[in-house]
Amino acid sequence: DTGVSQNPRHKITKRGQNVTFRCDPISEHNRLYWYRQTLGQGPEFLTYFQNEAQLEKSRLLSDRFSAERPKGSFSTLEIQRTEQGDSAMYLCASSLIGAQYGEKLFFGSGTQLSVL
Amino acid sequence: TQLLEQSPQFLSIQEGENLTVYCNSSSVFSSLQWYRQEPGEGPVLLVTVVTGGEVKKLKRLTFQFGDARKDSSLHITAAQPGDTGLYLCAEEYNFNKFYFGSGTKLNVKP
Repeated sequence: DTGVSQNPRHKITKRGQNVTFRCDPISEHNRLYWYRQTLGQGPEFLTYFQNEAQLEKSRLLSDRFSAERPKGSFSTLEIQRTEQGDSAMYLCASSLIGAQYGEKLFFGSGTQLSVL
Repeated sequence: TQLLEQSPQFLSIQEGENLTVYCNSSSVFSSLQWYRQEPGEGPVLLVTVVTGGEVKKLKRLTFQFGDARKDSSLHITAAQPGDTGLYLCAEEYNFNKFYFGSGTKLNVKP
């Protein structure tokens, strides 16, 4: 078990460019979450998948953001036409959904995005 | 929209001191989790509490869930510099969906 892996760790881009991040969850986990975190704040929910199905997207997520989990394994988060306000840490988490409350989220180390 | 408040926002103490941080919600939790996050890393789960009045201990850390399941506290005894970090609480507001507070940033000075 190597934990949740995110790539790249850091990304610097110019405003207007597209960026894509990758998340590899813990292998047997069927749920995958994307969160965004800005300095001094807690993680903010963006979207989540159960297996390959995207079940919910935050209303805060503009149409410039898209996420996929093509085979229920790794996931990608793409941001098109980046804006300076997109600068943040993008966190991926995975879990094994069960039949009761209190599931454990395992987070990756995140991708720090800086939009110049 | 859930309102999850953590206090204090910042805390700076000397090594060896005790401290308590709080997490409060306007709604009843299904469950509540506490995480610790170090700079440049993702949050790491410390504990999950589900039952009202529940108390859990993790070495020098004591977690308490309020009887009404609307509040929780984290108490650290004899804090050490290694305890430095951002302490986040997260409430499960729907089955397996989590909402995070803004955290308490703890600095333990040697």
